[in-house]
Amino acid sequence: QVHLVQSGVEVKKPGASVKVSCKASENTFSNYYIHWVRQAPGQGLEYVGIINPAGGTNYAQNFQGRVTMTRDTSTSTVFMELSSLRSDDTAVYYCTREMTPTQYFDSWSQGTLVTVSS
Amino acid sequence: QSALTQPPSASGTPGQRVTFSCSGSNSNIGSNPVSWYQQLPGAAPKLLIFGNNQRPSGVPDRFSGSKSDTSASLAISGLQSEDEADYYCAAWDGSLSSYVFGTGTKVTVL
Repeated sequence: QVHLVQSGVEVKKPGASVKVSCKASENTFSNYYIHWVRQAPGQGLEYVGIINPAGGTNYAQNFQGRVTMTRDTSTSTVFMELSSLRSDDTAVYYCTREMTPTQYFDSWSQGTLVTVSS
Repeated sequence: QSALTQPPSASGTPGQRVTFSCSGSNSNIGSNPVSWYQQLPGAAPKLLIFGNNQRPSGVPDRFSGSKSDTSASLAISGLQSEDEADYYCAAWDGSLSSYVFGTGTKVTVL
């Protein structure tokens, strides 16, 4: 059962912004926290932040000031926008869900590759 | 943000038992449950263990987790070729108000 589906590949220039979408099933959108995690090529997982069902957000320190997470209730879609892109933001960005509050991620989306290159 | 520390690699022959660690601190593993994720080549991570030692339905009982103080461990018994993957631990960090992931362990089946 597919709970989360992300938008496609993005190629951006340094300094630009990218907005990645994550469409959730209705139950997921209403009842789960949605987290974002990224993985640079050949590297490990890095936590980006969370948006809860009420729209509240919390961002990891490394991304504060550059990341914004929002949600559109009409389409059950969550968005992650990252600004002032640098080459080291090149990564696969995953959305994943947490049944509140269980402290684990039980379903992951397929990921969106964001490439930052001049 | 600081990551949890895992050995970069672990290996074993088919049928063997492999165990590796995830080391953290009082603010993360020491006070919150640990989860483990398996990432097959080219795929998204998949939940393997939650709540330190609980397996979701569908995960073979060859996989087991444990936790003691500020460290956690994942064991794979009866190692199979399809277990070749990267494995990551994760926990909430109360000091950072953020989740932290382990550095990842690559398991190779010899």
